[in-house]
Amino acid sequence: SQQGEEDPQALSIQEGENATMNCSYKTSINNLQWYRQNSGRGLVHLILIRSNEREKHSGRLRVTLDTSKKSSSLLITASRAADTASYFCAMAMDSNYQLIWGAGTKLIIKP
Amino acid sequence: EAQVTQNPRYLITVTGKKLTVTCSQNMNHEYMSWYRQDPGLGLRQIYYSMNVEATDKGDVPEGYKVSRKEKRNFPLILESPSPNQTSLYFCASSLSHYNEQFFGPGTRLTVL
Repeated sequence: SQQGEEDPQALSIQEGENATMNCSYKTSINNLQWYRQNSGRGLVHLILIRSNEREKHSGRLRVTLDTSKKSSSLLITASRAADTASYFCAMAMDSNYQLIWGAGTKLIIKP
Repeated sequence: EAQVTQNPRYLITVTGKKLTVTCSQNMNHEYMSWYRQDPGLGLRQIYYSMNVEATDKGDVPEGYKVSRKEKRNFPLILESPSPNQTSLYFCASSLSHYNEQFFGPGTRLTVL
């Protein structure tokens, strides 16, 4: 069963503001990955953070991972209209070969 | 160009008519998956394959079959489609389930 949760479900902000979305999970993980999906298209990988890492950066993206709280956050700084998309977290576990996905956060950037 | 391809991209069919959605990758990836995406439910894994001749059920395998006879191909088979299988389907591949997943463009299936 799906064991990942994301919040908020939807987020609408002004261009230039920062956007934060959160992901929580229930079991121990090997790594957590974030993906972006533009309007019904295939997902695109953004960033991967391993269970022994606490923070990772990639351009305007910052990801944190707190394994004690079983949660991760994705921060997009200085948002742009092109960041409008849905964002998903996915957890890879050591206990099996499945990937567990969150339900996604729909981000809208207003010009 | 490294890619995952799916065919068809769009399909409208009727209840009970067997269909196959093909998936192919050219990156020599060992791990391949099928997902369905429904509004508000995110991605749910249908089946995955760790390597050739090694497949396993995901969260929602009922009504679906898969096979992995070659490394590059991972077809999804609906033996007797029903309306509740109307959905957007994605195939993905990667080196392993620990690694970045590469997604196909999706197949939008409607079962009447």
